[in-house]
Amino acid sequence: NAGVTQTPKFQVLKTGQSMTLQCAQDMNHNSMYWYRQDPGMGLRLIYYSASEGTTDKGEVPNGYNVSRLNKREFSLRLESAAPSQTSVYFCASLDRGSNQPQHFGDGTRLSIL
Amino acid sequence: AQSVTQLGSHVSVSEGALVLLRCNYSSSVPPYLFWYVQYPNQGLQLLLKYTSAATLVKGINGFEAEFKKSETSFHLTKPSAHMSDAAEYFCAVSDGSNFGNEKLTFGTGTRLTIIP
Repeated sequence: NAGVTQTPKFQVLKTGQSMTLQCAQDMNHNSMYWYRQDPGMGLRLIYYSASEGTTDKGEVPNGYNVSRLNKREFSLRLESAAPSQTSVYFCASLDRGSNQPQHFGDGTRLSIL
Repeated sequence: AQSVTQLGSHVSVSEGALVLLRCNYSSSVPPYLFWYVQYPNQGLQLLLKYTSAATLVKGINGFEAEFKKSETSFHLTKPSAHMSDAAEYFCAVSDGSNFGNEKLTFGTGTRLTIIP
């Protein structure tokens, strides 16, 4: 099925370890987003990429890096994981210029001990 | 800057009863407003979107929301709750870039429980 695929679905890390969360979409969308979801705080934008080759900071970018590898893929990297980064991470994509909403993946549940 | 406030982090209603989830917004420009639903272990799915074309917006699964500028509200309602409506609901606002679908600011969410 077409959509946004996130890998892995679950991950447990130790403090200080590094990790890359993968996101791929097969809808030929230009824009892609990374959000984190924490209890009582809703979704907060970490980084976004309006088009291939561009990335911009969102509301909570500290501790993260991103790479827009090509039009399909947008990865999120934690260089040195901290317990405060325990969260559910969502990737989304958007066809800019259309009137379609952002399309979300099913999330990656990340625990940092 | 825009923001939304969802009143009530948890709401419980009986099956067949009215569902009312509250959202108030703050925006310096005419807003685009959204309601999203999240079922367990899934991503967010758009329920409905306000774009100023009509103040009463009908969405999927029998939900609707009314934009009230005087009250800066965009409350979500459904006349008769169904067990399948149990989920978390998020209100969101945007500044209007690209049909309002970019740069969403989400509320903190309301978890809806349906009592059999």
